[in-house]
Amino acid sequence: DIVLTQSPASLAVSLGQRATISCRASESVDNFGISFMNWFQQKPGQPPKLLIYAASNQGSGVPARFSGSGSGTDFSLNIHPMEEDDTAMYFCQQSKEVPYTFGGGTKLEIK
Amino acid sequence: QVQLKESGPGLVAPSQSLSITCTVSGFSLTGYGVNWVRQPPGKGLEWLGMIWGDGTTDYNSALKSRLSISKDNSKSQVFLKMNTLQTDDTARYYCARVDYYYGSSFFDYWGQGTTLTVSS
Repeated sequence: DIVLTQSPASLAVSLGQRATISCRASESVDNFGISFMNWFQQKPGQPPKLLIYAASNQGSGVPARFSGSGSGTDFSLNIHPMEEDDTAMYFCQQSKEVPYTFGGGTKLEIK
Repeated sequence: QVQLKESGPGLVAPSQSLSITCTVSGFSLTGYGVNWVRQPPGKGLEWLGMIWGDGTTDYNSALKSRLSISKDNSKSQVFLKMNTLQTDDTARYYCARVDYYYGSSFFDYWGQGTTLTVSS
């Protein structure tokens, strides 16, 4: 199984500043020139919400302050500028091979 | 608009079986796959399995012997069945639609989930 390791486990960022969350895969999640890496946001009591798919493509209706980058085994989710509404858990997920796996999550708070 | 809604028993005794239904609207099950994902209280997300538009299935190998996913296209329903439940199967269970981008897949719409508690 592909193991996804997220860092940090928790993060506090001031309003207006940049938040960066990393996700490292135990093997490459690239295939046919596409990175099979997705990012989700989850708030308490709600289902996950798709933010980024295929490493760098914004989901429908996702604000432009959310961006994804990376390839191979190393990926990042950036949020800039940080807003109060961005307080949440964030998960990466690979869809290169079954079983699809998720990272352990990063808790993002306001400093 | 696209919607998914899970319904389940809420409480199941240990060693018993579980059946959860995901009822979808706004899209056809013949054109999209549906995944099942669960989340124990206060913990992360675990992918359980999926059923593709053509009816083929993939399962998490760690749970494959206890899982079965099926669907009824005419009723727009997907079914998750799990047997021999244990207390660590207590979780919120979500269904999620799969969409595609140049061969990569992603879960674009999720249900609100249904909570399952395994307890005597």
